Amino acid sequence: SQTIHQWPATLVQPVGSPLSLECTVEGTSNPNLYWYRQAAGRGLQLLFYSVGIGQISSEVPQNLSASRPQDRQFILSSKKLLLSDSGFYLCAWSVGRVNTEAFFGQGTRLTVV
Amino acid sequence: AQSVTQLGSHVSVSEGALVLLRCNYSSSVPPYLFWYVQYPNQGLQLLLKYTSAATLVKGINGFEAEFKKSETSFHLTKPSAHMSDAAEYFCAVRILDTGNQFYFGTGTSLTVIP
Repeated sequence: SQTIHQWPATLVQPVGSPLSLECTVEGTSNPNLYWYRQAAGRGLQLLFYSVGIGQISSEVPQNLSASRPQDRQFILSSKKLLLSDSGFYLCAWSVGRVNTEAFFGQGTRLTVV
Repeated sequence: AQSVTQLGSHVSVSEGALVLLRCNYSSSVPPYLFWYVQYPNQGLQLLLKYTSAATLVKGINGFEAEFKKSETSFHLTKPSAHMSDAAEYFCAVRILDTGNQFYFGTGTSLTVIP
């Protein structure tokens, strides 16, 4: 069966520090991968998605970047965090067929102080 | 543009009462629709999905949703609310012509009153 791992679960970082959140998927090949951010009361905002290694699409220009160095690995990064980067970050995967759902990781609670 | 709108960011029901969470979609092509539930500080879990096989879709935990093309709606219902249903609920749409993306509504927080 397929599983998705996302870590860390919680993170407190000072303003201006770098960020690296990692997400890996097991049990499937060539998944579509997504990073979402969830701010309080504002739903899910799609940040990045990837349909293959090295292929990253950005939905919202911001202080973050994403990389996909391996087929089932998706990394969210920042060189210098801002206070506004605080939120709940969710990684998800899906297969390419449009009638299939996305599967989510457990999320990372990032607080920038 | 493709989108979903969830009417009511907060819904409160009494335990045992009907749960109705509203979702309307906007799409120029046939959509695939999903309902997810999120408990505090957790990821999203799929409740049910509409993939054009049947307009009335049954999901986990006693939830169901009906796809109504004429109303562009996909409302989520449960006949009798349970305390454990208190959570955040998200409606989402995935559309063929936009590739592989999912578009989520802003969510509805369900409170169940004992």
